[in-house]
Amino acid sequence: QSALTQPASVSGSPGQSITISCTETSSDVGGHNYVSWYQQHPGKAPKLMIYEVSNRPSGVSNRFSGSKSGNTASLTISGLQAEDEADYYCSSYTSSSTYVFGTGTKVTVL
Amino acid sequence: QVQLVQSGAEVRKPGASVKVSCKALGYTFTSYDITWVRQAPGQGLEWMGWISGYNDNTNYEQKFQGRVTMTTDTSTSTAYMELRSLRSDDTAVYYCARTYYYGSGPWGQGTLVTVSS
Repeated sequence: QSALTQPASVSGSPGQSITISCTETSSDVGGHNYVSWYQQHPGKAPKLMIYEVSNRPSGVSNRFSGSKSGNTASLTISGLQAEDEADYYCSSYTSSSTYVFGTGTKVTVL
Repeated sequence: QVQLVQSGAEVRKPGASVKVSCKALGYTFTSYDITWVRQAPGQGLEWMGWISGYNDNTNYEQKFQGRVTMTTDTSTSTAYMELRSLRSDDTAVYYCARTYYYGSGPWGQGTLVTVSS
């Protein structure tokens, strides 16, 4: 049972904005800004999209943005495109110096 | 460019061991940690542990303690993950990734490990 809960699915039309939430359900995570987000297309390796809540690695589109409020982190995709259809996972650092992944969210572009 | 290249698919019988390699290209191996993650068929990502590329310090997820060993060979910029006493539910794609600040990227292409009698 993951300590990070995500919605199973989120959908939107091309050009719209969508937000994926990641809620910390354990006291072992949270209280810091060490949340990252990953995109995974079917049959492919995950790709780092956001690190430390809101930082984008070089090469990641600025349509992807991250934030955090209280015990919930969020990934927003603006100007939704067909290529954004994928699974998305959040991850958080824990008090044991380990990491935990969220349950994953399937994004569908209508 | 920065790239992680993993070894090929493996098939093992229950009770056996498997060792997956992850060769780092395009960066100074000793400046970053390597994280290992697995993904069972149709399931989400599961964090297994990490190893320092600098001093071989490790931290394993409690679930894998006693069954997993992560090592490095700095002479070849390669990290290894060995999992022992394999069970059918260890069937998964195993990924390595470079630790990047408090995230992981880029990732290797993945290694499918199938455990079947």
